[in-house]
Amino acid sequence: GAGVSQSPRYKVAKRGQDVALRCDPISGHVSLFWYQQALGQGPEFLTYFQNEAQLDKSGLPSDRFFAERPEGSVSTLKIQRTQQEDSAVYLCASSLESLVGRAGNTIYFGEGSWLTVV
Amino acid sequence: AQSVTQLDSQVPVFEEAPVELRCNYSSSVSVYLFWYVQYPNQGLQLLLKYLSGSTLVKGINGFEAEFNKSQTSFHLRKPSAHISDTAEYFCAVSRVNTGFQKLVFGTGTRLLVSP
Repeated sequence: GAGVSQSPRYKVAKRGQDVALRCDPISGHVSLFWYQQALGQGPEFLTYFQNEAQLDKSGLPSDRFFAERPEGSVSTLKIQRTQQEDSAVYLCASSLESLVGRAGNTIYFGEGSWLTVV
Repeated sequence: AQSVTQLDSQVPVFEEAPVELRCNYSSSVSVYLFWYVQYPNQGLQLLLKYLSGSTLVKGINGFEAEFNKSQTSFHLRKPSAHISDTAEYFCAVSRVNTGFQKLVFGTGTRLLVSP
């Protein structure tokens, strides 16, 4: 597609419910990122994929958070037993390459999935 | 670890006035620097980035930023603000020479341009 697509755009979950957030990166992009943006804060890194390999998951806040990208394209972020502190916007981003510092290697962000846990 | 400080949570200006959004960073290693803009209900869009070379970087929509290594700053400027510049602006850094571009963001500055 033309850009990074995320669904659902808005999700209200009851505390304790499991949720799954989907990300369709730009076609052919090797790198895929998930960020969490709490209200009034900047985005914070959650995890990184290079193709299907999850190379960094250091930002996942707890073992309730799980991400996958099984075929190296679409990715899903799953949150189990949601808590109120999980309420945030979850941003997916992709880039063509994984190499750092390449002038043309721009990271493109999706519009985000807004999760509210009640 | 890296950190980014955006001291101004909100900057109000009048249309056609100059704009400066401040960004300071802390890092024990060399970093790349970025400014992103976020319009309401939209994703982040890259305004400009500093990788190397000239410390004055020009971006989209008439914005520019200057990297000052001694002051560890990367302030964003625009000579004349437009109403459409109203948005949230985020400064970010990533370490040089890592396997991938892991961005560390500041808390953002809301630019409000009024007529």
